[in-house]
Amino acid sequence: DSGVTQTPKHLITATGQRVTLRCSPRSGDLSVYWYQQSLDQGLQFLIQYYNGEERAKGNILERFSAQQFPDLHSELNLSSLELGDSALYFCASSASGSHYGYTFGSGTRLTVV
Amino acid sequence: GQNIDQPTEMTATEGAIVQINCTYQTSGFNGLFWYQQHAGEAPTFLSYNVLDGLEEKGRFSSFLSRSKGYSYLLLKELQMKDSASYLCAVRGYNTDKLIFGTGTRLQVFP
Repeated sequence: DSGVTQTPKHLITATGQRVTLRCSPRSGDLSVYWYQQSLDQGLQFLIQYYNGEERAKGNILERFSAQQFPDLHSELNLSSLELGDSALYFCASSASGSHYGYTFGSGTRLTVV
Repeated sequence: GQNIDQPTEMTATEGAIVQINCTYQTSGFNGLFWYQQHAGEAPTFLSYNVLDGLEEKGRFSSFLSRSKGYSYLLLKELQMKDSASYLCAVRGYNTDKLIFGTGTRLQVFP
């Protein structure tokens, strides 16, 4: 157990629907990051939150949004889902300036049918 | 912006040594990381370099040359369980965000 908890592990939904992915960071980590990994693709950075505030944004679609709550857990909302949104979504957390980079959660596998 | 290049695939034999290269172009640099990722699983941290030179950790070593924008991960005494993707990632200035390369899929054969 890495200490980063992601739920659910698997999600199957239809096109046009909306889903919410949840992440609880490792104890003490203030930063949460969301990444998308499509089949045979690298990890694509979506967004970072630090202590409740948006810190950095990547190529995140307008249909996607995220937030970090006062207890530091984060949610990634994906709406108007398309087949191409099927991917592994990873959450990671880190302490500032860590020499270990991130600790990743086990991911949520989203399948859009 | 940042650009990170790695070979897509490599193969090697059990017990051998393999070197996985990574080149990067970045507007700022504050560390290079290597992660291992088995298929369908989360990436796990392997190594971190911020200064030039070699960092050794058991069977794995990582090298960095900042002037050349170049790193490699060296895996010795390969085992079947080393079959995985190896991800190179760079951290820029004043940020904790990591930008990842597309990864190198390593297959180890008996």
